[in-house]
Amino acid sequence: SAVISQKPSRDICQRGTSLTIQCQVDSQVTMMFWYRQQPGQSLTLIATANQGSEATYESGFVIDKFPISRPNLTFSTLTVSNMSPEDSSIYLCSVEDQGKTGNTIYFGEGSWLTVV
Amino acid sequence: AQKVTQAQTEISVVEKEDVTLDCVYETRDTTYYLFWYKQPPSGELVFLIRRNSFDEQNEISGRYSWNFQKSTSSFNFTITASQVVDSAVYFCALSTMDSSYKLIFGSGTRLLVRP
Repeated sequence: SAVISQKPSRDICQRGTSLTIQCQVDSQVTMMFWYRQQPGQSLTLIATANQGSEATYESGFVIDKFPISRPNLTFSTLTVSNMSPEDSSIYLCSVEDQGKTGNTIYFGEGSWLTVV
Repeated sequence: AQKVTQAQTEISVVEKEDVTLDCVYETRDTTYYLFWYKQPPSGELVFLIRRNSFDEQNEISGRYSWNFQKSTSSFNFTITASQVVDSAVYFCALSTMDSSYKLIFGSGTRLLVRP
């Protein structure tokens, strides 16, 4: 299975600042996704990170707030811009691993952001 | 529309009890995948199982077993002889061809195993 590393694992951020989260995979993957998990909630898909083109955002998420880069098949970044306390969440990177028995979706260990 | 329902918000059991976590899904697609993930307090999401819509065989992995029933659109997860380390939030998820295989998560079930 793909091994996914996220940085930072945790951070405390000041209101109004921006933070970039990095996601590195140990193998080339076609599909990479970014999810948000607000405290006590389930996971919500923010966007699909497309290699070499603009990310595809889900309803309720916009590029200005969550710019995403995907320069190659093993790396992506998510920036949380102009943060407010409502952005305090776990942000998770995930990838689709096309294994022999089908596609499985794996997750990184998550980045816990607290906005103060 | 696709939807996953985990009606049990929180379950508390005593160690060594068996526990079943329920998952009911909705989709009109004939091709889809069902997943279970475990989220311990550390926050990472640990993959447990993937089942495709054409394979209704139940699966057992150690103390874990899964019961997939298309007739009732359910994919339930049983932990036998639960242990304290099983305490976590468990998510059931669905992905379909029509949704480009993006995961749709249930609300999660928090399992507390008491010693």
